[in-house]
Amino acid sequence: EAQVTQNPRYLITVTGKKLTVTCSQNMNHEYMSWYRQDPGLGLRQIYYSMNVEVTDKGDVPEGYKVSRKEKRNFPLILESPSPNQTSLYFCASIPYFRGQGNTEAFFGQGTRLTVV
Amino acid sequence: GENVEQHPSTLSVQEGDSAVIKCTYSDSASNYFPWYKQELGKRPQLIIDIRSNVGEKKDQRIAVTLNKTAKHFSLHITETQPEDSAVYFCAASKHSGGYQKVTFGIGTKLQVIP
Repeated sequence: EAQVTQNPRYLITVTGKKLTVTCSQNMNHEYMSWYRQDPGLGLRQIYYSMNVEVTDKGDVPEGYKVSRKEKRNFPLILESPSPNQTSLYFCASIPYFRGQGNTEAFFGQGTRLTVV
Repeated sequence: GENVEQHPSTLSVQEGDSAVIKCTYSDSASNYFPWYKQELGKRPQLIIDIRSNVGEKKDQRIAVTLNKTAKHFSLHITETQPEDSAVYFCAASKHSGGYQKVTFGIGTKLQVIP
């Protein structure tokens, strides 16, 4: 089954304690992205990756890191989490088909992070 | 960069009535416009999409229209049902020279009142 898998689904942590949220897709998509969802602000892009070893900042990258060592994995790293990073996080992968162009984004189940 | 504005932020309709959500975009290079539905506690999922070479697309009770000149597109849901209650996101996407960018609207919370 084609899917994007995030872990963990829920996480409560303390300020300053490094954490990693994993994201894995089995659809061989080149493009992957991380979003955070906050009330009234919609889905805001944190980082994205066009392919292995190619990453770039989205609209709200401060306080986050990513890596793309393998095509299927795109972890989100918070080196020193702060309470303002409390949010719902989604990973997504997007295929691009030559001749058809952009297509839909496939989202993971979401990770609800609380930083106290 | 691209800016996508979505209105209204909340919408309440009686069951059986129609619902319309509108979005505008700023980048004329955007060529793909998907709509996502996010049910409570779930992930966003595509419900309908439209490309820039098409003006309208329909799938049963939902339809999307696109006006490239005015840079706006809309989602229309007819004969609404309680299960249509969710948050709906519009998005504008472009791909150019290996670079792909998807920009989402802030979302519309639709409540269908039985």
